[in-house]
Amino acid sequence: EEQLVQSGAEVKKPGESLKISCKGSGYTFSDNWIGWVRQRPGKGLEWMGIIWPGDSDARYSPSFQGQVIFSVDTSGSTAFLQWTSLEASDTALYYCARRKKIPGRDAYDIWGQGTMVTVSS
Amino acid sequence: DIQMTQSPSTLSAFIGGRVTITCRASENINTSLAWYQQKGGQAPNLLISRASILETGVPSTFRGSGSGTEFALTISSLQPEDFATYYCQHYNSYSGTFGPGTKVEFK
Repeated sequence: EEQLVQSGAEVKKPGESLKISCKGSGYTFSDNWIGWVRQRPGKGLEWMGIIWPGDSDARYSPSFQGQVIFSVDTSGSTAFLQWTSLEASDTALYYCARRKKIPGRDAYDIWGQGTMVTVSS
Repeated sequence: DIQMTQSPSTLSAFIGGRVTITCRASENINTSLAWYQQKGGQAPNLLISRASILETGVPSTFRGSGSGTEFALTISSLQPEDFATYYCQHYNSYSGTFGPGTKVEFK
């Protein structure tokens, strides 16, 4: 079964750093872009950007450029989303999602279960 | 940046009813448009890509249409499991902007 499994919920204080993970299985991890999506409590989906596991080519939404860092460990079939200094406004559910590789139909077909990040003093 | 809008934001309908959700792009995006369904507490589920192509396993009661800047998702006969929030998304190599979502509620 093709799936993405994300790391567990996190509770952090403002200013702390954090790295959450997204592990792929059931398919060749390096063959598909991995995207990250934020969903604040009670709000809609926000696309943060994508990363190509093959060479770590990362593309960030302007809203998230400089705020987060994407990385991958292809040997472990895992993508990461990282913050160096969290803010309360980062409190949200974060999803990773696989982008299909069918030209023109390359939307996001496999989603992780989400990682809830709570930032509070 | 291309902006995506959806209307209505909330929609009330009966089981068996027909509903249409509209999505508009601020620029021509051809058919680089997907529709997702999200139920409470769950990850989004891809329904349609390339504006009108149903994903495997999606009921034929769902239909996507449109190109350029105007798109629509139609559910021809609402089932209890269809009550959810629906998002459109423009996708390409540098973007994945979502619309704000449309919540379909039971009337």
